[in-house]
Amino acid sequence: NAGVMQNPRHLVRRRGQEARLRCSPMKGHSHVYWYRQLPEEGLKFMVYLQKENIIDESGMPKERFSAEFPKEGPSILRIQQVVRGDSAAYFCASSPFSADSGNTIYFGEGSWLTVV
Amino acid sequence: EDKVVQSPLSLVVHEGDTVTLNCSYEVTNFRSLLWYKQEKKAPTFLFMLTSSGIEKKSGRLSSILDKKELFSILNITATQTGDSAVYLCAFGSGNTGKLIFGQGTTLQVKP
Repeated sequence: NAGVMQNPRHLVRRRGQEARLRCSPMKGHSHVYWYRQLPEEGLKFMVYLQKENIIDESGMPKERFSAEFPKEGPSILRIQQVVRGDSAAYFCASSPFSADSGNTIYFGEGSWLTVV
Repeated sequence: EDKVVQSPLSLVVHEGDTVTLNCSYEVTNFRSLLWYKQEKKAPTFLFMLTSSGIEKKSGRLSSILDKKELFSILNITATQTGDSAVYLCAFGSGNTGKLIFGQGTTLQVKP
């Protein structure tokens, strides 16, 4: 029973390039969340998606960041024209569609983005 | 503004010690409080607490929530070096996985 799968695990980009991070949720989970962890800071919510729908993007920066969760395939977090301040660990999490699960989410291993 | 505050920020103990980690919160629409353990990779789920005064236990770890005083504690007894990690507290509102995390407590257990 595979957990949340993220790739790439590590990504190096030059300033101005694009970064694409992928996330496949746990089997049976239809809700995907992206969180960002800046160095020496806690996890911060970015966006919540269901298949083909963005439910809550209140934590996403207004520019350069976008996310999608298509009908087929993984969820993708896209960062355009990266800057050094985007260097962080990006965690994807998923949860089942179940009232019993409440707020419990399960995290992937993370994608570490370094902008040089 | 909703917030979660953890204390202490860091802690160094020796194997066999018992530790208590604290998490206080100020939220407008509380549903549950969650604890995660992070060892330089994926945060792993420990506990979800929704009711006051009911202790949840898993091996040497236990946690309890006080909704009146707005805090939770995570206890680890007979600590081992493998317990060294960052322990994250988060609260959730509504019925989604949008969580507000505290800054974490870094625990180091020395042999």
